[in-house]
Amino acid sequence: DTGVSQNPRHKITKRGQNVTFRCDPISEHNRLYWYRQTLGQGPEFLTYFQNEAQLEKSRLLSDRFSAERPKGSFSTLEIQRTEQGDSAMYLCASSLGIRAGDEQFFGPGTRLTVL
Amino acid sequence: DAKTTQPPSMDCAEGRAANLPCNHSTISGNEYVYWYRQIHSQGPQYIIHGLKNNETNEMASLIITEDRKSSTLILPHATLRDTAVYYCIVRVDTGNQFYFGTGTSLTVIP
Repeated sequence: DTGVSQNPRHKITKRGQNVTFRCDPISEHNRLYWYRQTLGQGPEFLTYFQNEAQLEKSRLLSDRFSAERPKGSFSTLEIQRTEQGDSAMYLCASSLGIRAGDEQFFGPGTRLTVL
Repeated sequence: DAKTTQPPSMDCAEGRAANLPCNHSTISGNEYVYWYRQIHSQGPQYIIHGLKNNETNEMASLIITEDRKSSTLILPHATLRDTAVYYCIVRVDTGNQFYFGTGTSLTVIP
């Protein structure tokens, strides 16, 4: 399967713990995006990378959240000191980056439950 | 923030055409209309996008009104597997993020 992959698919953690999610984009895609989706809502943009550079962050991305894409390939999203309000589906998407408006391809998501 | 308005839910009989409307009355000249759908517990799936002209691909057709203030996504022969939440999004071609809104939950009925 050459689509976007995300690991783990599910994560259950206790409040206050740190969690890290991984996203592997489609191999030739230069752009990588993170979104968060809560129940009954559409995905909300968190941040975006062009190769290894993080170019845009949403105000939703508090200082407890950090994202990296060290070699311009896979990306990680870390949440420190998790709170119950962090419970959501975390989605990763990638796009070619040939033009800014090209379509994004989404992974299956990581569902986080904070107890 | 979401710049589109969609009905929260719709039903369609299996085998019939599903017509999903979207209002985007504040759309700017350089903004495209995108459609994605999300089947339960999966990531969103790209369907189609367009600027002014009507577009068609193997999944659907997109009809954009002449004034570009509204559009309709058409699934020509809906199947049970088309049951999903459908999102209409407007975005400038130079933009990098999608604002999804809450979409239309389409249920295809046998």
